[in-house]
Amino acid sequence: GAVVSQHPSWVICKSGTSVKIECRSLDFQATTMFWYRQFPKQSLMLMATSNEGSKATYEQGVEKDKFLINHASLTLSTLTVTSAHPEDSSFYICSVAGSNYGYTFGSGTRLTVV
Amino acid sequence: AQSVTQPDIHITVSEGASLELRCNYSYGATPYLFWYVQSPGQGLQLLLKYFSGDTLVQGIKGFEAEFKRSQSSFNLRKPSVHWSDAAEYFCAVGGNQGGKLIFGQGTELSVKP
Repeated sequence: GAVVSQHPSWVICKSGTSVKIECRSLDFQATTMFWYRQFPKQSLMLMATSNEGSKATYEQGVEKDKFLINHASLTLSTLTVTSAHPEDSSFYICSVAGSNYGYTFGSGTRLTVV
Repeated sequence: AQSVTQPDIHITVSEGASLELRCNYSYGATPYLFWYVQSPGQGLQLLLKYFSGDTLVQGIKGFEAEFKRSQSSFNLRKPSVHWSDAAEYFCAVGGNQGGKLIFGQGTELSVKP
């Protein structure tokens, strides 16, 4: 499967600021990437599907103005949490849809908003 | 509605014992099924996947899973568990190449000496 790099691994930010998380596909041209959110001891909740060169498709209940997704190239998708608040603190994981029904996940980003 | 159910939230097994983690799915079309493992604070690692062919699938780390269409199940098994297998296990279903995955709630596996 693809090799996926997610950065940063963890970030602490002040309430009201914005944070950008990067997801890079290092060896595969990723037309489609996914962004998930995971609360402690819970499953992955799909936030949005990121499509290269077009607007992301958000899941119901996800605020698109708060969670900005940009997929400007075949190797990079970014998730920006705007005006972050403590309730946005979570573990965010990206995934690359590869070939042969392969999905490769990034190592995740732990966001803490203080 | 499309869904994945992992009935067991937490399972504890002794090291060396066999393991079976249950997964049931509800999906309107031909399902593509996956098992992932997650260590604390980490991303997900693929154990195995099924999308066609032999219904008994072999994966990494000695895991296998069997697709049973009549029971809508895709249970994960391992004949002898190692302490390093302690982790969270997720079953997931998808319907097409590159489409989104639906995850189960996860099963936390603990291994006792």
